[in-house]
Amino acid sequence: ETGVTQTPRHLVMGMTNKKSLKCEQHLGHNAMYWYKQSAKKPLELMFVYNFKEQTENNSVPSRFSPECPNSSHLFLHLHTLQPEDSALYLCASSQETLAGGPTDTQYFGPGTRLTVL
Amino acid sequence: AQKVTQAQTEISVVEKEDVTLDCVYETRDTTYYLFWYKQPPSGELVFLIRRNSFDEQNEISGRYSWNFQKSTSSFNFTITASQVVDSAVYFCALSEAEYSGGGADGLTFGKGTHLIIQP
Repeated sequence: ETGVTQTPRHLVMGMTNKKSLKCEQHLGHNAMYWYKQSAKKPLELMFVYNFKEQTENNSVPSRFSPECPNSSHLFLHLHTLQPEDSALYLCASSQETLAGGPTDTQYFGPGTRLTVL
Repeated sequence: AQKVTQAQTEISVVEKEDVTLDCVYETRDTTYYLFWYKQPPSGELVFLIRRNSFDEQNEISGRYSWNFQKSTSSFNFTITASQVVDSAVYFCALSEAEYSGGGADGLTFGKGTHLIIQP
């Protein structure tokens, strides 16, 4: 049991729709992440939030908009997506220090399977 | 740049056989972590192990064991007496201190090895 939940688990949307993915972590962590997993491709980092501040945007198209209102919740707002955006979207969290060092163990949620028609 | 290679795309074995999943990494950093995750068909990545670059001791946890060799930049994972429930995609991953600048950063994942255990 990882303590990271994601809703919805499955989402089908048209290209003109607006939807949001939600992630909640119950582990008391201070960093949260969005990853995209497409078929036959490695996991791709999309966004990183550390202490609620966005620290990395991995050249993600503006049709994906993250929001982190507090250290326990993370959203991914979606609008005017393309069929190639269909993928499994995974949220993760970790406990990081300010002193530096490698990123610590990330705990993942079950993912949202997104299909864009 | 950091990189993780899992050359085995798919492995199929019969239950009770031992199986080793290979992981080779590249990094210029001296301080890094290596990870293994399991992804069953449900989709969730399940954390299995983290290894610090300064700790080359091999580790055993039940039927799972990990062999970390800095000389060959490898972090291989062996399942002994495999079971059908071990069927999943397994990912090796890397995080570095230098390139993260401390604090949160994405993990660098390999492409994964799909392990099929046949009854």
